[in-house]
Amino acid sequence: GQNIDQPTEMTATEGAIVQINCTYQTSGFNGLFWYQQHAGEAPTFLSYNVLDGLEEKGRFSSFLSRSKGYSYLLLKELQMKDSASYLCAVSGNTPLVFGKGTRLSVIA
Amino acid sequence: EAGVAQSPRYKIIEKRQSVAFWCNPISGHATLYWYQQILGQGPKLLIQFQNNGVVDDSQLPKDRFSAERLKGVDSTLKIQPAKLEDSAVYLCASSPPGRGREKLFFGSGTQLSVL
Repeated sequence: GQNIDQPTEMTATEGAIVQINCTYQTSGFNGLFWYQQHAGEAPTFLSYNVLDGLEEKGRFSSFLSRSKGYSYLLLKELQMKDSASYLCAVSGNTPLVFGKGTRLSVIA
Repeated sequence: EAGVAQSPRYKIIEKRQSVAFWCNPISGHATLYWYQQILGQGPKLLIQFQNNGVVDDSQLPKDRFSAERLKGVDSTLKIQPAKLEDSAVYLCASSPPGRGREKLFFGSGTQLSVL
């Protein structure tokens, strides 16, 4: 089976950097995904890691360590609009499985 | 490019009633998913279709939930009869064939309230 853990809530200040961690246990591994979900809206794709290391995309970066079953999403230069839930999801021997999400609040 | 279309946007029913949701995926996307998202949790896969065939329905409560994708394009998800614990957002997603098939595109969802 698959198990995904991430913090329930985080708060950070506008302009700062925040790191959202995700640990996972999976049967097989095809990739790790991060999705952003604003309240009342559908999840939207942010990033995808299949190999170890850091993937950078603008203000957002995602890191993967397959041996440790660990990933993080790094958000730089936080903006108020980054207040949302961030979902870690893993693809393995089963279709994409999502964690419960981390609700990030960005404060002034 | 049009996104994943879902309807209705909201639905309120009483327990033991029936309800159906509709989804039209992005054109050319062979794979279609239905997810259930209970408030405060991540989406949980109910069923995955590849064209008009079922790939995974291991978490679909088959005594009350059914889904079909007869022509390999749009899909319907039905609940009959509904229970209070079915209150959730039902998300439809699709993904393209080949490389990148793991990247899901979600519709806006149907928010179901069972009273």
